[in-house]
Amino acid sequence: GNSVTQMEGPVTLSEEAFLTINCTYTATGYPSLFWYVQYPGEGLQLLLKATKADDKGSNKGFEATYRKETTSFHLEKGSVQVSDSAVYFCALSDKTNAGKSTFGDGTTLTVKP
Amino acid sequence: NAGVTQTPKFRVLKTGQSMTLLCAQDMNHEYMYWYRQDPGMGLRLIHYSVGEGTTAKGEVPDGYNVSRLKKQNFLLGLESAAPSQTSVYFCASSRLDSNSPLHFGNGTRLTVT
Repeated sequence: GNSVTQMEGPVTLSEEAFLTINCTYTATGYPSLFWYVQYPGEGLQLLLKATKADDKGSNKGFEATYRKETTSFHLEKGSVQVSDSAVYFCALSDKTNAGKSTFGDGTTLTVKP
Repeated sequence: NAGVTQTPKFRVLKTGQSMTLLCAQDMNHEYMYWYRQDPGMGLRLIHYSVGEGTTAKGEVPDGYNVSRLKKQNFLLGLESAAPSQTSVYFCASSRLDSNSPLHFGNGTRLTVT
């Protein structure tokens, strides 16, 4: 079956530091890949996505590239801000799985001023 | 522009009591889902629906029932609440294709004493 493995947290960075959160996946088909962000007291919201190999998703300074050869979708940001403090979830969606998404366990990021 | 709305936001139940959580979406999405989120366990799928009048079991369905009588609504019921059902519950919806992201509500925090 499908699975998503995310870098364990929590991650603590200083403002303006470089961020990488690793994500690797296992899937039987050709999944679409997503990063979601959850701010305190809220539901998850889409941060970015990529739907085929070598696609790069980007939003709010965050980027992730769909790497089929390494089955990875690592999240990066060049300079984090305090407002980026949140929980980040990597996820995949596969046509063969009736629309159900598979989520990683989430990585908590805290950015200190 | 409400998106996905969950009610109630908070609830405290005693063991053995019952309740229903309501999820409503105004995006005409076919798919709807109920997840629970527990510390250290990420998101776990309870039940889902691929269309009006249909429901299916997810990863952790025991102790819960669901109904999708109208396309825009997805109800989650607890017939006899147990302390192990203390959690944050999220509803989500999505379009039919696997490239589409999930849209989440802001969650219901349930405590069972």
